Amino acid sequence: KNEVEQSPQNLTAQEGEFITINCSYSVGISALHWLQQHPGGGIVSLFMLSSGKKKHGRLIATINIQEKHSSLHITASHPRDSAVYICAVGRLIFGTGTLLAVQP
Amino acid sequence: DAGVTQSPTHLIKTRGQQVTLRCSPKSGHDTVSWYQQALGQGPQFIFQYYEEEERQRGNFPDRFSGHQFPNYSSELNVNALLLGDSALYLCASSVGQGEKLFFGSGTQLSVL
Repeated sequence: KNEVEQSPQNLTAQEGEFITINCSYSVGISALHWLQQHPGGGIVSLFMLSSGKKKHGRLIATINIQEKHSSLHITASHPRDSAVYICAVGRLIFGTGTLLAVQP
Repeated sequence: DAGVTQSPTHLIKTRGQQVTLRCSPKSGHDTVSWYQQALGQGPQFIFQYYEEEERQRGNFPDRFSGHQFPNYSSELNVNALLLGDSALYLCASSVGQGEKLFFGSGTQLSVL
């Protein structure tokens, strides 16, 4: 079993939809990262969370340390949000990512 | 601010050869981490350098080694290349641990 599990693995949404990507982990952590990777390899760090909730623009990330679970929400999704979203914990143990495609 | 820069962007090698990848961290960052990302997979942590020493290491063989220089830049060396070493190699920098990470665009290594 992977130490970091993401769901769904693939997600197709219509523009404007509210999107949720989930991350569950089995190791003890001090922080969890949400990352965005566009085709071609470039990775952008979206959030680093150790508790509660963070918001940046249309992106919201939450974490429940007791349940070892985090969610990334995208409100009013847009085609430019299409990317792979990766959850990473601990010494940066990465999930395999969620491929999001937002269709106009 | 140039952010994290990696070189080269693409590299082709043959089995058994050795390769050196380079990473310059974002200005003000002192910690560099290296990752291997195979096609369709999430990145795998190779190791992390801080104060010119390897501080943490993932599950990679000794063929993978690194170095950090006094200016905080870093190199990843892979010896005796195998076909399975073909991947995107990513470098990320931060200020210490637990800070927001900044990633480079990666080096795409192909081993033939």
